[in-house]
Order: sequence, then structure tokens, then C-alpha cells
Amino acid sequence: DTEVTQTPKHLVMGMTNKKSLKCEQHMGHRAMYWYKQKAKKPPELMFVYSYEKLSINESVPSRFSPECPNSSLLNLHLHALQPEDSALYLCASSQGFGGPNYGYTFGSGTRLTVV
Amino acid sequence: GQNIDQPTEMTATEGAIVQINCTYQTSGFNGLFWYQQHAGEAPTFLSYNVLDGLEEKGRFSSFLSRSKGYSYLLLKELQMKDSASYLCAVSLGGGSQGNLIFGKGTKLSVKP
Repeated sequence: DTEVTQTPKHLVMGMTNKKSLKCEQHMGHRAMYWYKQKAKKPPELMFVYSYEKLSINESVPSRFSPECPNSSLLNLHLHALQPEDSALYLCASSQGFGGPNYGYTFGSGTRLTVV
Repeated sequence: GQNIDQPTEMTATEGAIVQINCTYQTSGFNGLFWYQQHAGEAPTFLSYNVLDGLEEKGRFSSFLSRSKGYSYLLLKELQMKDSASYLCAVSLGGGSQGNLIFGKGTKLSVKP
């Protein structure tokens, strides 16, 4: 299995809703990431998990709450989002940090629309 | 701050060769990645350079000069399916391990 699987592929939610994005990989990768990508913009790092521990939080608002239940799963819990949070949310994983064997594998993303 | 520059858009003809340049000024450097991203899809890994020189992989080659803070992606024998955005990304390493900084991407249009 050489994939990162993200669910759902599309999500429409109201500003008062609570929802979760899920990400799963079975490649034995030790690092997992959440990126946010707006249209025609590059991906922007949100969170990094290393060995199931949060190692980087790029000053993301608290309405986004990451969770890493185990080494294969990564969740992003969403609450009280704003319309400007509408974007493609990408999950990625890597074997470690740095080096050609540590290239990121991205999931296909969740297209989130906040109404 | 971190700065990665790429041209915004490029156009090339099917069968031709195109070179996409990337310059970077970052606080750390632990390798440079090139990714391909089709509209609405996830980025896919193309190449990685950490030492100076040329890495060749089929129709795609990537070059790095660390002293100049410069890389390019060379695409040969262009095909229509190569129309996509190409993202240059620098791994910062050190205390920012895991932080991959992306350029804004170059949208390549391949015309018949």
C-alpha cells in the first residue's frame, strides 16, 4: 500500500457545525502533515506530527484541532469555521525528514466549503 | 523569512523541451523537491536534489546549485498530459524538520 487516503473527498459545512477530516496511511511513515491549499496558491503547512506527537503548529487558529490516534491515522477536527477557511485540505506523510526516501506522499485532499 | 520564486505561467508545444526555474532563499536547506499538481488534485513527487548537479528520471530532469540557490526542472518530449502546475519546495531541516516550504508553482500549458 503506497497511498495516503483522505475522507471525505468533499465536505460542505455550516459555520456552527463540527466535522472531522480523516487521513490514513499504511506505509509505516513516521511523520504526517496537514496542509491547506487555496485556489491557485501553494500548499501551506498547518501541522506536523512526528511519531504521533505534534511537533509543529504553524500558528493555526484553535478552530482547527489535529489529532493523531495512532501511527497510521491523522484527524483534523473542525469547529466554528469561517467561509475563508474554504480550501483543499491535504494530508501527507513521509518516512522521516529530509532525503530522497523522505519525499512526501500526499493524499488526494478534502475539498472543504464553509457556508 | 523564506522566499521561493518560480515563474507563474509557461506555455510550450507538444514534443518540445521546457525548463522551469526556481530560486530560493531560506533559513535552512535539507533538499529541494519538485512536485506536479493537476488542477484539483494532490501534488505528486517528481524529483529530489540535495547535492549539486543533475538528477535524471525518464523525461524529467532536475538540477541544483546550492551556492546560487537555484534549481530547474527540465521536461523533455512534452505531452499534453504534462499540462499542470509544477511546485518547487525546499525542506528546511534542522529545527524545522518536516517543514516543506512551497513556491507558488508554475502553471505549464502544453499546446498541440
